[in-house]
Amino acid sequence: SQQGEEDPQALSIQEGENATMNCSYKTSINNLQWYRQNSGRGLVHLILIRSNEREKHSGRLRVTLDTSKKSSSLLITASRAADTASYFCATDAAGNNRLAFGKGNQVVVIP
Amino acid sequence: GAVVSQHPSWVICKSGTSVKIECRSLDFQATTMFWYRQFPKQSLMLMATSNEGSKATYEQGVEKDKFLINHASLTLSTLTVTSAHPEDSSFYICSAYRSGQPNQPQHFGDGTRLSIL
Repeated sequence: SQQGEEDPQALSIQEGENATMNCSYKTSINNLQWYRQNSGRGLVHLILIRSNEREKHSGRLRVTLDTSKKSSSLLITASRAADTASYFCATDAAGNNRLAFGKGNQVVVIP
Repeated sequence: GAVVSQHPSWVICKSGTSVKIECRSLDFQATTMFWYRQFPKQSLMLMATSNEGSKATYEQGVEKDKFLINHASLTLSTLTVTSAHPEDSSFYICSAYRSGQPNQPQHFGDGTRLSIL
């Protein structure tokens, strides 16, 4: 089955710096989504990017998608302590909302 | 915004007990909901797809008799862990999306931490 896989990273950055994390997947997709999870909580949807889109922005978030390389990146600009969380990418291969999640990146923003 | 409520948030019980977890979409209808399991510091593993008015679809390796799913209405799905044992201890999370619309983000409950003694 489809599986998104982030490069295994635990990022530790200073407040104000940018954080970049990557995600790769193995088969064709309908869309790719990024989620944030605070410790012990559910997931919060950040951005959905469709397979025919290459870049999408939402506030301080920027997501790119390269379907030829089967990869995506999430950039958080001007990070804040509140951005400390785990970030997951998830792929929807068939457009039926059935998601396959990647391994996640833990980001720690130091005030 | 779309809200999914999951209850209870934390359960501690003895081995052999059956535990029911509820997942409700509060302000939208969801013909389909999903149940995930997450181990510490790991990703989410899809367990099953809950379909309103029909049988759930289980992922490979998930025991349907162990994890009973009922989706009796457009706003409620329940997961019952039957005769739970310590190896069933985990973080269980549900999600839902607005029915009838493609390319929709999923809305997650806050999860249920299940600890079996």
